[in-house]
Amino acid sequence: GAVVSQHPSRVICKSGTSVKIECRSLDFQATTMFWYRQFPKQSLMLMATSNEGSKATYEQGVEKDKFLINHASLTLSTLTVTSAHPEDSSFYICSASPADYGYTFGSGTRLTVV
Amino acid sequence: GQQLNQSPQSMFIQEGEDVSMNCTSSSIFNTWLWYKQDPGEGPVLLIALYKAGELTSNGRLTAQFGITRKDSFLNISASIPSDVGIYFCAVTQGGSEKLVFGKGTKLTVNP
Repeated sequence: GAVVSQHPSRVICKSGTSVKIECRSLDFQATTMFWYRQFPKQSLMLMATSNEGSKATYEQGVEKDKFLINHASLTLSTLTVTSAHPEDSSFYICSASPADYGYTFGSGTRLTVV
Repeated sequence: GQQLNQSPQSMFIQEGEDVSMNCTSSSIFNTWLWYKQDPGEGPVLLIALYKAGELTSNGRLTAQFGITRKDSFLNISASIPSDVGIYFCAVTQGGSEKLVFGKGTKLTVNP
């Protein structure tokens, strides 16, 4: 149990376009989900906390208008990278925590902006 | 924010050897977690520690929550090639569910 599915696994987009990444909890409900960003050979950095039915909470330095988060249901959170630029190229990972199990991560999305 | 000092940064070992890595902090935490990340994948939880002094095993992996609540170590016994990857320690931040990660230990196992 406690599976988090993330889609797509890889995406290449042109500069100036927007990209949507989905994160789903498959066998549990998640009122809270988390979005992380990981640059090559670096650790995971928390970008924002996604809250079902309310606004996301962004970490300091993360542009909320750049990284739009929507948590419309108890099993789905989406991250939209708007007007993407090459510097937005990174590995984006979501996570959720079913009760008493710890924190389960999705398999990540490799975004390349060309 | 809180910083976790994870060491070593990388390790190159022979198959069959034991491995030890650790994380320290100047702050006290109530939860220590150890994750493994394979290339192009999300981290996978290996061991979760919730009590100071707790020693927990998961197969060949053993982790301990330091008695001061400021550190934790992870040991891997009799390493095998599939142990290759990056190992991260993580703690929960304050009273929230937010995770703060160490910088990772990259493990290479030579057959």
